[in-house]
Amino acid sequence: AQSVTQPDIHITVSEGASLELRCNYSYGATPYLFWYVQSPGQGLQLLLKYFSGDTLVQGIKGFEAEFKRSQSSFNLRKPSVHWSDAAEYFCAVVTTSGTYKYIFGTGTRLKVLA
Amino acid sequence: NAGVTQTPKFRILKIGQSMTLQCAQDMNHNYMYWYRQDPGMGLKLIYYSVGAGITDKGEVPNGYNVSRSTTEDFPLRLELAAPSQTSVYFCASSTSHTNLEAFFGQGTRLTVV
Repeated sequence: AQSVTQPDIHITVSEGASLELRCNYSYGATPYLFWYVQSPGQGLQLLLKYFSGDTLVQGIKGFEAEFKRSQSSFNLRKPSVHWSDAAEYFCAVVTTSGTYKYIFGTGTRLKVLA
Repeated sequence: NAGVTQTPKFRILKIGQSMTLQCAQDMNHNYMYWYRQDPGMGLKLIYYSVGAGITDKGEVPNGYNVSRSTTEDFPLRLELAAPSQTSVYFCASSTSHTNLEAFFGQGTRLTVV
């Protein structure tokens, strides 16, 4: 069965430090992968997505993610975190066998220290 | 362009009551989804629809019903509310024709007491 694992429930970084959020997926075919961000009390907003091609994808707000097929991973990175990046981040895989269904990880809550 | 609109934003229900969570999108998306979000559990798919008149169960459909009579609307019905249905509910929509990005509503926070 398809699944997404985000091993870190909480991460705390200092403002200006680099960030990496981990995501591992289990899916038999070529995955469509997404990262979403959820600010408190809000819905989810798309940060970036990977369908095919270049394995390093750029997103909004200075985020990037790298698809590594051999490791079944799609980790999210940012070189320098801003206080406004404090939020919850969700990795998702979209199943493409028949219908499109999003399967989300359990999320990583990011805290940024001033 | 409103995107995905959910109503109400907040609701308190008594055990056994029923209610309908409304969801509407104005992007002509064929796919629509209902998720529930519980702390530490991520988002769980309740029901989804691939077009008007077509719905299917997700991971956690028990206690819920949906209908899709138009492309725009995808209401979620709770018939006999239970405390286990206390959650935040998100509606989302996407198209299968382009980039598959899912657009989310602002959520409905439901408490069953």
